[in-house]
Amino acid sequence: NAGVTQTPKFQVLKTGQSMTLQCAQDMNHNSMYWYRQDPGMGLRLIYYSASEGTTDKGEVPNGYNVSRLNKREFSLRLESAAPSQTSVYFCASSTGRGSYNEQFFGPGTRLTVL
Amino acid sequence: KQEVTQIPAALSVPEGENLVLNCSFTDSAIYNLQWFRQDPGKGLTSLLLIQSSQREQTSGRLNASLDKSSGRSTLYIAASQPGDSATYLCALSGGYNKLIFGAGTRLAVHP
Repeated sequence: NAGVTQTPKFQVLKTGQSMTLQCAQDMNHNSMYWYRQDPGMGLRLIYYSASEGTTDKGEVPNGYNVSRLNKREFSLRLESAAPSQTSVYFCASSTGRGSYNEQFFGPGTRLTVL
Repeated sequence: KQEVTQIPAALSVPEGENLVLNCSFTDSAIYNLQWFRQDPGKGLTSLLLIQSSQREQTSGRLNASLDKSSGRSTLYIAASQPGDSATYLCALSGGYNKLIFGAGTRLAVHP
């Protein structure tokens, strides 16, 4: 039982390049989330998927797109990377039901955009 | 708009002390509150989750309380150890369990 996995762990991009961050969970969770964490700040929600087949914007969606490929996988795409997108990206999942709705996080992807 | 503040931003204590980390929020309409631990360069580990109808949760040396009327939560760490050194984050859940995070408290426990 791996929980939430993310690939890659590290990535360096040049401005304007594109890439996709992959996330998968094996806990049969309905909801999945993408957050970014910048130095000295808490995590901020980029996009989320309340259930398979649905996605919605979070607090900081500009410059990103997501795909809920199936119940297990939720990917985050940067179409044209910018230095402001240098950050650590975390994927999370939860059952999505009720008020006892603990979120479980992946290990993160550390992205640098030059 | 919900805002979450954690005080202090950093804390350094000798081993064995009892600690209180504070988290305050501006909107009491929450579903639950989670406390996380983050080690340097690592992901987040969930420590405790308090549902909106609860007032506290305990796990080992950790106790978290929630007072919605005053917009506050505290994380109490008893008999601190060097292994407790990490950043502690609180996060509130609103609709669809979207978490809103505080900036964290960096804790250093020295022998």
